[in-house]
Amino acid sequence: DAKTTQPPSMDCAEGRAANLPCNHSTISGNEYVYWYRQIHSQGPQYIIHGLKNNETNEMASLIITEDRKSSTLILPHATLRDTAVYYCIVRVANRDDKIIFGKGTRLHILP
Amino acid sequence: EAGVAQSPRYKIIEKRQSVAFWCNPISGHATLYWYQQILGQGPKLLIQFQNNGVVDDSQLPKDRFSAERLKGVDSTLKIQPAKLEDSAVYLCASRRKGIGVDNEQFFGPGTRLTVL
Repeated sequence: DAKTTQPPSMDCAEGRAANLPCNHSTISGNEYVYWYRQIHSQGPQYIIHGLKNNETNEMASLIITEDRKSSTLILPHATLRDTAVYYCIVRVANRDDKIIFGKGTRLHILP
Repeated sequence: EAGVAQSPRYKIIEKRQSVAFWCNPISGHATLYWYQQILGQGPKLLIQFQNNGVVDDSQLPKDRFSAERLKGVDSTLKIQPAKLEDSAVYLCASRRKGIGVDNEQFFGPGTRLTVL
């Protein structure tokens, strides 16, 4: 079973920041928080991951609470192309292990 | 760099028929995965290969599903005979060993199977 809890769906206005929450209260010390997204009719796509420090790349920012029990993925200026299912996953980094996906959050970007 | 290729993209068959899916991973990626994604759910691993050897097939329904990766490059997944509950998207992913973002799993577009 997935070790994370996410809201089933969220709406965000185009051009605004989309903040997607994730709870992972049972995360282990060596597990990272990963985010993937899946646009309709495509395979999942890696977005970002982090251990305990906040991370930013060209796609998004990841904010992890100090106790590591929750995190937030931030899309700073959401566009219609960001409409997708977003999966929050906890796993050990740099391993061949399978990814255990939950149901994710379906993000709708509204024009 | 070319992505993970899968074919066909769509397939419709009747129950009890056979079907095969093909995957060509990214060049140089030693690890290959097949996932099944039922509508409304996240992908679930069916089988994982390291080169041409099976690493994990614990969730593969072996009475009807089979997969091979004979030369350690491309792979085929077969269902024989198909059941209604096999209707799903079948995703192939690959990964190169090592550390870094470039070594995450990359997914293909999937094959959508409909069993009537």
